Amino acid sequence: KAGVTQTPRYLIKTRGQQVTLSCSPISGHRSVSWYQQTPGQGLQFLFEYFSETQRNKGNFPGRFSGRQFSNSRSEMNVSTLELGDSALYLCASSSTSGSSSYNEQFFGPGTRLTVL
Amino acid sequence: GIQVEQSPPDLILQEGANSTLRCNFSDSVNNLQWFHQNPWGQLINLFYIPSGTKQNGRLSATTVATERYSLLYISSSQTTDSGVYFCAAVEYGNKLVFGAGTILRVKS
Repeated sequence: KAGVTQTPRYLIKTRGQQVTLSCSPISGHRSVSWYQQTPGQGLQFLFEYFSETQRNKGNFPGRFSGRQFSNSRSEMNVSTLELGDSALYLCASSSTSGSSSYNEQFFGPGTRLTVL
Repeated sequence: GIQVEQSPPDLILQEGANSTLRCNFSDSVNNLQWFHQNPWGQLINLFYIPSGTKQNGRLSATTVATERYSLLYISSSQTTDSGVYFCAAVEYGNKLVFGAGTILRVKS
């Protein structure tokens, strides 16, 4: 099976712009989660999507949003970029179905975003 | 929310040495994963280990959920083991809470 894929791998944007990142989960996985990794804050949970619905959300401002399509592919969008948004953005997929169950998560290679 | 602490933060080993990385969590958790982050940033799954012991080659892991800790053992370390090791506990749903990581450097 192909792993989790993310595009693009690298992005350079300027402050005030917006950006859209894409994640394709492992075939058959319906849950996609997004994480931000920075040197100062480490790895932090952004949100999770399941069956096109946001199921859980981390503690990030409303500038960070996402969506999931019927084929389980997910996108996240960051509007009005700030310097502090420079980070590695990772997505993970799992075969988890119910909200009370957990299955192992698998991560993609990440998108490295630089905001100038 | 739960807190996840890893120790040591840094570890330097000579090739062939063994090591133990520790992960403590503040509350009872039902699920825990260990990852190795490669130099390009990708998180590689090592173990999904909510409890008990698992082994995969030179690596093994033990989680004692009742005492709120997990251990990752690396035996006969190789330079390719270098990188950052993370443990992550499930807080709720699919939300993983990560520790700050252990940076491992294996010298030849």
